[in-house]
Amino acid sequence: EAGVVQSPRYKIIEKKQPVAFWCNPISGHNTLYWYRQNLGQGPELLIRYENEEAVDDSQLPKDRFSAERLKGVDSTLKIQPAELGDSAVYLCASSLAAGLAGYNEQFFGPGTRLTVL
Amino acid sequence: AQKITQTQPGMFVQEKEAVTLDCTYDTSDPSYGLFWYKQPSSGEMIFLIYQGSYDQQNATEGRYSLNFQKARKSANLVISASQLGDSAMYFCAMIETSGSRLTFGEGTQLTVNP
Repeated sequence: EAGVVQSPRYKIIEKKQPVAFWCNPISGHNTLYWYRQNLGQGPELLIRYENEEAVDDSQLPKDRFSAERLKGVDSTLKIQPAELGDSAVYLCASSLAAGLAGYNEQFFGPGTRLTVL
Repeated sequence: AQKITQTQPGMFVQEKEAVTLDCTYDTSDPSYGLFWYKQPSSGEMIFLIYQGSYDQQNATEGRYSLNFQKARKSANLVISASQLGDSAMYFCAMIETSGSRLTFGEGTQLTVNP
């Protein structure tokens, strides 16, 4: 079974440029998460989708970040314009269901390492 | 307030020995789950073990065990018989039923020496 797929793996851009990341979750997983992981820290949730609905986007900087999951499957995270402080690894994860029904194992993709110059 | 605290930025262990990675948490929710993830240098987060707040016994998964002390709000990971491939960052995380957000600690970098 294929895991969570993310692309690109690495991206280097200049500040003020736009950038987009793509994620394809594990088949059948209706919950999708985007995390940002700054160097030397644990991941922090940016947004969580239940199917195509964003149910937790309270930590998404909405002035420059946007995300979509139009058909409830794959998702795109966009930054426009990028700032130096956006340099981080952006992780996508998926799970069968949110919350504590049994337990909620989140499967992570390999991440996209963004460098903003 | 920090919900997950990992006080060991780095740990070293000799191959074949056991090592304990510390994790304390803070929550007022009576129902929660605790997770440990491994992150090798390649970047992916690998699920290791889970402990539910109502579980009576400590979780075990192969060489991994979770020393769950509810009154102390600690959930330490014990790795037995360390292997060179265990060298990685290890993250403790918690999810509360009042929300569905997985909150991570800052991680512990484990190095296994031959």
